[in-house]
Amino acid sequence: GNSVTQMEGPVTLSEEAFLTINCTYTATGYPSLFWYVQYPGEGLQLLLKATKADDKGSNKGFEATYRKETTSFHLEKGSVQVSDSAVYFCALSVGAAGNKLTFGGGTRVLVKP
Amino acid sequence: DAGVIQSPRHEVTEMGQEVTLRCKPISGHDYLFWYRQTMMRGLELLIYFNNNVPIDDSGMPEDRFSAKMPNASFSTLKIQPSEPRDSAVYFCASSPKGTREETQYFGPGTRLLVL
Repeated sequence: GNSVTQMEGPVTLSEEAFLTINCTYTATGYPSLFWYVQYPGEGLQLLLKATKADDKGSNKGFEATYRKETTSFHLEKGSVQVSDSAVYFCALSVGAAGNKLTFGGGTRVLVKP
Repeated sequence: DAGVIQSPRHEVTEMGQEVTLRCKPISGHDYLFWYRQTMMRGLELLIYFNNNVPIDDSGMPEDRFSAKMPNASFSTLKIQPSEPRDSAVYFCASSPKGTREETQYFGPGTRLLVL
């Protein structure tokens, strides 16, 4: 079946620190990979995505590269801000029957000034 | 577009009562998803629809839960009777098509507390 594993949090950082959140997956078929972000009290919103191997998704200073050989999609940001405090979800879709998403457990990130 | 709209945003009810959650997807989107989020179980897909037809309801916890989509602009998730373990945040999401590249657009959620 399909599954996503991401590092557990919380991750606590100081402003301007480097952030990495690890994500690995198993999938039946060729998945698209996503990072969604959930700010406090809100729904999830797409942060970035990649649809084929070696693609790099990027948005708001965040980046993730689709690595088929290591089945990974790690999220990185070079210099975090307090406003990046949120829960980050890695997810995949194989689209076999609709774009059903399989989510990881989420990683809470807290950035302190 | 206003995005995915959910109502109510907060619901407090007593055990045994019927609860109805509502969702208006983004206009033109063919797919609608209902999720439940709890600390213990994370994000769970409950059911999803394609063109108003339920496609996969394998995530619906039990017969107390039911979902309908009478038209392209409205869906409900009903819990009858409600139990304290149903307390969670319920999200609705929609997407234009069902390809694997598609983004899902989430509503703000309904926070349900069953006493």
